Amino acid sequence: SAVISQKPSRDICQRGTSLTIQCQVDSQVTMMFWYRQQPGQSLTLIATANQGSEATYESGFVIDKFPISRPNLTFSTLTVSNMSPEDSSIYLCSVFRDTDSGANVLTFGAGSRLTVL
Amino acid sequence: AQSVTQLGSHVSVSEGALVLLRCNYSSSVPPYLFWYVQYPNQGLQLLLKYTTGATLVKGINGFEAEFKKSETSFHLTKPSAHMSDAAEYFCAVSPSGGYQKVTFGTGTKLQVIP
Repeated sequence: SAVISQKPSRDICQRGTSLTIQCQVDSQVTMMFWYRQQPGQSLTLIATANQGSEATYESGFVIDKFPISRPNLTFSTLTVSNMSPEDSSIYLCSVFRDTDSGANVLTFGAGSRLTVL
Repeated sequence: AQSVTQLGSHVSVSEGALVLLRCNYSSSVPPYLFWYVQYPNQGLQLLLKYTTGATLVKGINGFEAEFKKSETSFHLTKPSAHMSDAAEYFCAVSPSGGYQKVTFGTGTKLQVIP
C-alpha cells in the first residue's frame, strides 16, 4: 500500500499565525486530498489538489484560508492561515491506491494534529 | 448524492463478546462501501471494502461486513472482541467506478471492557 508521510505530526500554534503541512507520497499520483477531522467529529474533505492546476475546494472552504500547493506528482502542502482555536483539528493527506480487486481505495497519512491557543 | 449514518457514537463490549457496528448508507448510484479504523494518534487504516461481487466481505483483524442492498446497510462485525480492537471506526461510501468522492460517517468509538 501507499506510504504517505506528513509533517509536522503535531504542533501547537498561536492564534493569528499560519502553519504549512507537508505531504509526501512514495509514488506519483494525479490527485491528492486534504481532509480535516475536528475533535470528536468525522472527516471532512477540504480540497482536492491536482498537479499543474489550482486546487478544487469543497463548500465551506476557501483558498485564502487553506492555500494548497502541488508542485509535482508526489508532494503537496496545505497551509492553515490566520489560525483560530476553531482550526484545532487533525489534518489528513490522502491518495487513491489501486487494489487487487481493481477498486481505488483512499489511503491516509498519519495526520497532523494542530492545536491553536 | 451520498451519505452515511453510523448508529451509536460509542459502543462498549466485553472482551470476547460479539462486536456489531452499524452503518446505513444512501447513494443514488451503486456504491462502494468501506470501513476504516483509527487507532489513537494515528491516521485511518482500511479494514475492508465492498466493491462488487460477494456481499460478505472479510477484512483484517477478523472483521467482516455484509452489504445488504435491500436494507442499505453495511454493518461491521467481529465474533470475539479483543482489547486491541479498541479504536474509532468509520464507515464510508463512494460512487462505484473509482476516483470518486468518499463520504465518511461520524464514527463509532469502540470500547472493549476486560
